[in-house]
Amino acid sequence: DAMVIQNPRYQVTQFGKPVTLSCSQTLNHNVMYWYQQKSSQAPKLLFHYYDKDFNNEADTPDNFQSRRPNTSFCFLDIRSPGLGDAAMYLCATSRQASTDTQYFGPGTRLTVL
Amino acid sequence: AQKVTQAQTEISVVEKEDVTLDCVYETRDTTYYLFWYKQPPSGELVFLIRRNSFDEQNEISGRYSWNFQKSTSSFNFTITASQVVDSAVYFCALSEANYGQNFVFGPGTRLSVLP
Repeated sequence: DAMVIQNPRYQVTQFGKPVTLSCSQTLNHNVMYWYQQKSSQAPKLLFHYYDKDFNNEADTPDNFQSRRPNTSFCFLDIRSPGLGDAAMYLCATSRQASTDTQYFGPGTRLTVL
Repeated sequence: AQKVTQAQTEISVVEKEDVTLDCVYETRDTTYYLFWYKQPPSGELVFLIRRNSFDEQNEISGRYSWNFQKSTSSFNFTITASQVVDSAVYFCALSEANYGQNFVFGPGTRLSVLP
């Protein structure tokens, strides 16, 4: 089945220790998104790639970076995680534009000690 | 700016009751898309429906139905004969074709269906 896969499902890191979350998709979609979702809140868009074109949200901290080496994979790098970065990180894909349906992966729950 | 309001923060119903989740949106665009997603305790956002602004027909899918009314800028979601497995957070979202760049999610409604 075509899907969006996120690894790992749970990630524990230490304060200030870099961490990378990964996302892959078999849908062959052009657009990939990273969202941050904190408890009892709606997902908040961090950035997205339209093909190789990177689009950063204005309020995404510099501490968050992303890479998309090919169509199938996208990575979220948190350079120096703080306690406030503990959250669920959701990857999503859509076929072309933001008006297309976004399909989400299961998420990675990040804990910062 | 585009905006989505889900006034009901939490709803509790007893199994087999019908329940309606409200969604009100604001947009200046004439072409836009509305979505509903379900987020069960496992955390994955599950797509339920996408509706464009030119299609005001109500939709029914099994126990789920959606009522889109442009006159009141609402896109409400009804679950008929609710089941415990319907317990989740439900998000309404809006995407504009011409002005906005991305999805805007509402704050979500937490639905608890009690046995």
